[in-house]
Amino acid sequence: ETGVTQSPTHLIKTRGQQVTLRCSSQSGHNTVSWYQQALGQGPQFIFQYYREEENGRGNFPPRFSGLQFPNYSSELNVNALELDDSALYLCASSLPGTSGANVLTFGAGSRLTVL
Amino acid sequence: QKEVEQNSGPLSVPEGAIASLNCTYSDRGSQSFFWYRQYSGKSPELIMSIYSNGDKEDGRFTAQLNKASQYVSLLIRDSQPSDSATYLCAVVVYGQNFVFGPGTRLSVLP
Repeated sequence: ETGVTQSPTHLIKTRGQQVTLRCSSQSGHNTVSWYQQALGQGPQFIFQYYREEENGRGNFPPRFSGLQFPNYSSELNVNALELDDSALYLCASSLPGTSGANVLTFGAGSRLTVL
Repeated sequence: QKEVEQNSGPLSVPEGAIASLNCTYSDRGSQSFFWYRQYSGKSPELIMSIYSNGDKEDGRFTAQLNKASQYVSLLIRDSQPSDSATYLCAVVVYGQNFVFGPGTRLSVLP
């Protein structure tokens, strides 16, 4: 059984650029969530994908967008990067269901630095 | 607005002592509660989940939930230097996403 994998692990961009982060979910998990974790803070929910559709979104602007593919892998795209977008971006997969009993399994994260 | 609050710490305890980590939440509709551990520069990993009032024990870890007081805690017995990390409390309202607290940094001193 493979865990959640993310790429790239580190990247540096400049303001105004665009970035794409990728995530492969844990085997058997068809729900993927993305979180932004700024230094010294807890993860903040960006959005969740289930069956290739967005299934919930946090308080992030539209320049944060995503996709989920038929194999359950996912992408997070951020346009018009701002300095405050510098953070650790975490992908988490889980089993489907709304009971809340399905825990999140996190990938190692992608650390984005915006200069 | 859903909020989860934790003392930011750092909380320092000597090796072998009990570490007590606390978390309060604002949404009375919260149904599921989780504790994650995050080592510096790493991703969060699940330690405990708890869904009902009372205590739940797993090895050296005990989670305690009091829904009436909107309070959840994590006790770590016989603390070890390897327990030094940031502990994140997460809360789920039925059918919605995980809401994380800011985390408490724990330092276990040898």
